[in-house]
Amino acid sequence: DIQMTQSPSSLSASVGDRVTITCRASQDINAYLNWYQVKPGKVPRLLIYAGGNLQSGVSSRFRGSGIGTDFTLTIDSLQPEDVATYYCQQTYSVPLYTFGQGTKVQI
Amino acid sequence: EVELVESGGGLVQPGGSLRLSCAVSGFSVSDRYMTWVRQAPGKGLEWVSTIYAGGSTYYADSVKGRFTVSRDKSKNTLFLQMKSLRADDTAVYFCARILDFWSGYYRRLDPWGQGTLVTVSS
Repeated sequence: DIQMTQSPSSLSASVGDRVTITCRASQDINAYLNWYQVKPGKVPRLLIYAGGNLQSGVSSRFRGSGIGTDFTLTIDSLQPEDVATYYCQQTYSVPLYTFGQGTKVQI
Repeated sequence: EVELVESGGGLVQPGGSLRLSCAVSGFSVSDRYMTWVRQAPGKGLEWVSTIYAGGSTYYADSVKGRFTVSRDKSKNTLFLQMKSLRADDTAVYFCARILDFWSGYYRRLDPWGQGTLVTVSS
């Protein structure tokens, strides 16, 4: 099974800061990497797909990059509404779509 | 508008059964690849099951033999039948559509439902 490792597990930043979350796959997954935002009691939301493609309707403050085994989610100018837990997910190994353990972002 | 609404969660005793529903609007559940994902309290997301448009089904090792995914075209609803439930099945269960399944790395889960809470406890 492909393991996905996110870091850090949590972070605290100030409004306006640039935040970076990393995700490492245990094997080469090309660009089969998505990022999701999960808030308590809310519908999980797709942010980035195929490594770096911004989902329609998502703020351009969110950027994804990487290919192979190392990926990054960057939030430019952190806003209060960005407080959430962020998960990476590989879709290389179907149907077992493993997720990272999550990164909790606080202000 | 595309929307997924889960229901059927609740409190069940260990060893019991429960059937979750995911009512779909805006597309036909029978024409799509659909999946169930769960999140245990304080834990991360875990893939549970997937049903392909053609009807093939797949399960995580942790639920294989106990859970069954199905769909009803007339009700446009996805189901997850859960049996022999254990305390570690306690979680919020989400259904989601798999978009662009055959488009390589464009494959993604969107949209998701709001989730339904299953609590397994005596």
